[in-house]
Amino acid sequence: AQKVTQAQTEISVVEKEDVTLDCVYETRDTTYYLFWYKQPPSGELVFLIRRNSFDEQNEISGRYSWNFQKSTSSFNFTITASQVVDSAVYFCALMGYSGGGADGLTFGKGTHLIIQP
Amino acid sequence: DTGVSQDPRHKITKRGQNVTFRCDPISEHNRLYWYRQTLGQGPEFLTYFQNEAQLEKSRLLSDRFSAERPKGSFSTLEIQRTEQGDSAMYLCASSLAQDEQYFGPGTRLTVT
Repeated sequence: AQKVTQAQTEISVVEKEDVTLDCVYETRDTTYYLFWYKQPPSGELVFLIRRNSFDEQNEISGRYSWNFQKSTSSFNFTITASQVVDSAVYFCALMGYSGGGADGLTFGKGTHLIIQP
Repeated sequence: DTGVSQDPRHKITKRGQNVTFRCDPISEHNRLYWYRQTLGQGPEFLTYFQNEAQLEKSRLLSDRFSAERPKGSFSTLEIQRTEQGDSAMYLCASSLAQDEQYFGPGTRLTVT
């Protein structure tokens, strides 16, 4: 069974602060993929990043960065110098690959990020 | 640049009625997924297709639910004898193999 835990239900920060969203996952698959999606108030899920289990390199994209640590089964997401437009619900997700084919995504419950002006 | 589209965007139905939703994936994507999302929760996987073959079904997909993807293009999700617990947002996503999934805007179902 696969599981994704996002322990932070809601985070509220003031604009320009840095904020880290935590994600811890569980899987028995040796090959898997990790994702982050953003769901703004409009409702449509927006893809942010995908990592495979063999690539532990951290990634930076503009103000966004991701820290993948297999040793702690974590895939954390940091927004630097947050902006009001970053306000949204952020989901971490996991896709296992059991050899017979990939499964669907297993999502966490999401973290509601509020950036106050 | 055409993304994933879903129709209708909203559906209100009475308990016991049947409903059908449609999803049109990104044209070159061979995989199509259905998810359900309730308020305050993350999306939950229901089923997926690779081309026209339905390869996996979640145990959430009771026998009142059926999905098809004729000819490997658009897909339909039908719910028979709807119940109030079926009220949710139904999301469709598509991908190329195991690449990232792109989601549509969803169909919000309200069962009264």
